[in-house]
Amino acid sequence: AQSVTQPDIHITVSEGASLELRCNYSYGATPYLFWYVQSPGQGLQLLLKYFSGDTLVQGIKGFEAEFKRSQSSFNLRKPSVHWSDAAEYFCAVYVGGGNKLTFGTGTQLKVEL
Amino acid sequence: DAGVIQSPRHEVTEMGQEVTLRCKPISGHDYLFWYRQTMMRGLELLIYFNNNVPIDDSGMPEDRFSAKMPNASFSTLKIQPSEPRDSAVYFCASRRLAGVPGELFFGEGSRLTVL
Repeated sequence: AQSVTQPDIHITVSEGASLELRCNYSYGATPYLFWYVQSPGQGLQLLLKYFSGDTLVQGIKGFEAEFKRSQSSFNLRKPSVHWSDAAEYFCAVYVGGGNKLTFGTGTQLKVEL
Repeated sequence: DAGVIQSPRHEVTEMGQEVTLRCKPISGHDYLFWYRQTMMRGLELLIYFNNNVPIDDSGMPEDRFSAKMPNASFSTLKIQPSEPRDSAVYFCASRRLAGVPGELFFGEGSRLTVL
């Protein structure tokens, strides 16, 4: 079965600093990959997705992610973090059939002013 | 367009009581999903519907949980009787058949506390 690992439970960065959140997946083929963001008391919102083509994908709010097949990774990046980016970020993988989206355990981002 | 609408946003109840959570998906969406979020288990898919028909309920924890979708614009998740371990945030999500699989639109969730 596919799995998603987010090795960092908490990350703290200063406003204006760059950000990279790690995500590794386990699956034989290339799955569909997603990053979702959850602000406090809110539902999840899709940031970006990858399913084919260019391995660097752009999302909303200035985020991007790069798919690296050799490393089974799909890390999320942002060049300059804003205080409003403080939230929990979830990596997710979809494998064809069954309509099941498997989520990682999430990374809680704190932004210091 | 309005997003996925869930009610109630917060529910506090006592053990043994019946709980009903409600969801209105985005109009025109063909799939509806119920997820549960807890600190211990993260986000778990409980059940999903396609065109109002339950397709996979393998994530429903036990017979105390049931879900229905009587029409394309309404779904319920019922817990009877409720137990303290059911305390969690329950999310409803929907997507279009023609959309990218995995691209879900989530409601704001229903936070359930069972005392």
